[in-house]
Parts: sequence; structure tokens; C-alpha cells
Amino acid sequence: QQQVKQSPQSLIVQKGGISIINCAYENTAFDYFPWYQQFPGKGPALLIAIRPDVSEKKEGRFTISFNKSAKQFSLHIMDSQPGDSATYFCAASTRGNTGKLIFGQGTTLQVKP
Amino acid sequence: KAGVTQTPRYLIKTRGQQVTLSCSPISGHRSVSWYQQTPGQGLQFLFEYFSETQRNKGNFPGRFSGRQFSNSRSEMNVSTLELGDSALYLCASSLSGGDGTEAFFGQGTRLTVV
Repeated sequence: QQQVKQSPQSLIVQKGGISIINCAYENTAFDYFPWYQQFPGKGPALLIAIRPDVSEKKEGRFTISFNKSAKQFSLHIMDSQPGDSATYFCAASTRGNTGKLIFGQGTTLQVKP
Repeated sequence: KAGVTQTPRYLIKTRGQQVTLSCSPISGHRSVSWYQQTPGQGLQFLFEYFSETQRNKGNFPGRFSGRQFSNSRSEMNVSTLELGDSALYLCASSLSGGDGTEAFFGQGTRLTVV
């Protein structure tokens, strides 16, 4: 019940295309859902985060869509660029407990020029 | 503002030895969490410290332990190292680990057990 399932494991997108990564969870106590981006040799960096009281949040080219009833959330990267090539992790935590993040398995994104 | 600093960046240890990793959080941050990252298991939560107290613990054996000092700096210790402990160990800090506080990660310590 503590798991967060992420798909796909890897993704190849052409420059300018839309990258979509999906995550699903079971624990209804989760109420904070961040996405992290990780480049080789670096630690994960927070991209964008959402709480269940909204269905969508957009920051620049990055959008999180959230479906509370389906217990799913997804990251959309619009106008994907080669510089977006990285590993993306979704995560979840319970209320007041963002110090304990449960991560998905990660998606390796390659954006081809 | 300086980010989360982890030392050392790389470590090579022999099976059976013990190791201590260090994490200096962002100034003002009081919550420090530790994660293990491996290709097979991904990012797994080890434990979280807040105000020198362990507040959360993941599903790791007792060989993994940690502590936090009054200046919020944290250390993680692994005793009796096993080959399977080879991983990237990441530390994350946040203001309080509570609602609305973002977690910022360091670059990690790459531990290799031979």
C-alpha cells in the first residue's frame, strides 16, 4: 500500500514533442505528490509538486495532472528539449510528512534532437 | 544560500567494515532525510531526523543507523557492510518535513563495497 508505481521505465521523444510519465498509488493517505528530475552524477531536483485539492498544476513547460478518484497522477513535458533528457521520479508522502517520500521506480527520458 | 552538502562524494569499503556518511543541510533546515538509491530498488527511504530525533524510519536492517546534531547536521552509519550495500546514498533537507515544505537533495555519496 506504500508503493508508487511509475511508467514507462524509459521514454524516447523527438525534440518539440510531449513527454508523458504516469504514476499510480494505493495509499489514500498520500496528499503530497512531487516530481523530481535527476541528471547523472547529481541528486534529484524538485521540478513541480501538487496536492489533491487541485487537478492540474502548470509551471512553464511542466504540467502535473492529478486524478484523485483513479489515484493517478502524471507529468507532461511540453515542447521537450534535449536538455530535458534525464531520469524523472514521481513521489508521494502523507500529510505533514514530506520528510518521508515514497518514490516511483523512475523513468529515463531521452529527447532526440 | 549553500545547498545540501554530502561528504565524502565517493567511498570504497571492504565487506565487514563500517562507514559513516555526513550531511550538512541547507541553513535553517531542521529536517534531514536519508535515501538509498540503487539500479534495482530505486530510491528507498532510510530514515528522517528532526530536532535531533528520529521521526520516521524505513524498512532497513538495524545495521543502518543515523543521528542528528544540534546544528541539524546529520550522519548515517552502516555497520558490517555487505556487497548489497553498494549504492548512492542521498540526503535531503527541508525546513520542517511538514506540510508545504520542499525537500532538497544533495549530490549523494557513492559507496562501493568490495
